[in-house]
Amino acid sequence: DIQMTQSPSSLSASVGDRVTITCRANQYISTYLSWFQQKPGKAPNLLIYATSTLHSGVPSRFSGSKSGTDFTLTISSLQPEDSATYYCQQSYRTPRTFGQGTKVEIK
Amino acid sequence: QGQLVQSGDEVKKPGASVKLSCQASGYSFTHYGITWVRQAPGQGLEWMGWISTYNGQTDYSRRLQDRVTMTTDTSTRTAYMELRSLRADDTAIFYCARYRSTDYDALDVWGQGTMVTVSS
Repeated sequence: DIQMTQSPSSLSASVGDRVTITCRANQYISTYLSWFQQKPGKAPNLLIYATSTLHSGVPSRFSGSKSGTDFTLTISSLQPEDSATYYCQQSYRTPRTFGQGTKVEIK
Repeated sequence: QGQLVQSGDEVKKPGASVKLSCQASGYSFTHYGITWVRQAPGQGLEWMGWISTYNGQTDYSRRLQDRVTMTTDTSTRTAYMELRSLRADDTAIFYCARYRSTDYDALDVWGQGTMVTVSS
């Protein structure tokens, strides 16, 4: 199975900060990487797919990139409503494994 | 845009089975497959498997493949997931989500989730 190692597991940042979350695959996954945001008690929401394609309706402060097998989700200017847990998921091979999640808190 | 509506919460005893439903609306049902994902309390997301709504082909997590069956009914636009021989550690929220191969299999619409509690 492809392992997705996400870091950090949690972070605390101020409104307006630039926030970066990383997901590392232990195998080649091309650009088959999605990012999800999940708020407490809610289903996950798709933010980005195909590494860097913003899903419809997602604010442009969210972006995704890749360097080798390292994938990054960036929030350019953190907003209060961005407080949530973020997950990456590879869709290159089954099982479609998720990262462990990163909890983002607002200072 | 599309919507997935899941069946209500369930409480089951160890050893029992549960069959959850996920009804689609607002899009062409057979143009998207359905994935099932579960989340144990306070834990992360676990991919359980998927089913093609076009031809019924399935692919299950090796961890669950002996206990899970996914099916669809195109006449009612509904996907089902049955999990057998339930254990306490199957207690989780179960989500269905749609995917399309032309969109990198991204899970772009999710159901609201069904809580399954396994307890004696």
